[in-house]
Amino acid sequence: ETGVTQTPRHLVMGMTNKKSLKCEQHLGHNAMYWYKQSAKKPLELMFVYNFKEQTENNSVPSRFSPECPNSSHLFLHLHTLQPEDSALYLCASRPTSGGDHEQFFGPGTRLTVL
Amino acid sequence: AQSVTQPDIHITVSEGASLELRCNYSYGATPYLFWYVQSPGQGLQLLLKYFSGDTLVQGIKGFEAEFKRSQSSFNLRKPSVHWSDAAEYFCAVGARYNTDKLIFGTGTRLQVFP
Repeated sequence: ETGVTQTPRHLVMGMTNKKSLKCEQHLGHNAMYWYKQSAKKPLELMFVYNFKEQTENNSVPSRFSPECPNSSHLFLHLHTLQPEDSALYLCASRPTSGGDHEQFFGPGTRLTVL
Repeated sequence: AQSVTQPDIHITVSEGASLELRCNYSYGATPYLFWYVQSPGQGLQLLLKYFSGDTLVQGIKGFEAEFKRSQSSFNLRKPSVHWSDAAEYFCAVGARYNTDKLIFGTGTRLQVFP
């Protein structure tokens, strides 16, 4: 149990659908992240939130829309996706005090866009 | 530019054999260094990290890694591999002033034969 949960674990959607990915962390962290993991490519950082404020948008297309209502929850809203968006989407969190700098990852949502 | 290279895409070892996974990085200053492991269908779990001090760091599951500044390397080692170590291993580098932006390698897939 990593303390970071993601739902759903698997998602299949058409190109015209709208869906949302949810991430929740029970670790008391104040930084949260969305990553995209595609086959044979390094993890790609998508978004970073610190204390509910977005501090990084790594040139992500607007069809991905993040939301961070509080420090424990992070959403990724999806609309009009493309087949190349199929990937494993990982959420992570990190404490922002105490000297620990490692990120704690959730199990991911496997997304398939048809 | 910052980068991480894991030159071995796939490694196969026999159970009980020793293991070394290579990681080379390109970075302008002394970075923070991490090794993560990902089992099938799971998120990333931190094995160990280097921030400062002793260049030989111990991690979980019997893994260790050595930071060699002169070689820009942070290789992961284990003296005796267990079948449960079969997974994908990722090396990552982060800036000391901004650990939000981790740069990951492409990973090394480890297969263990009985």
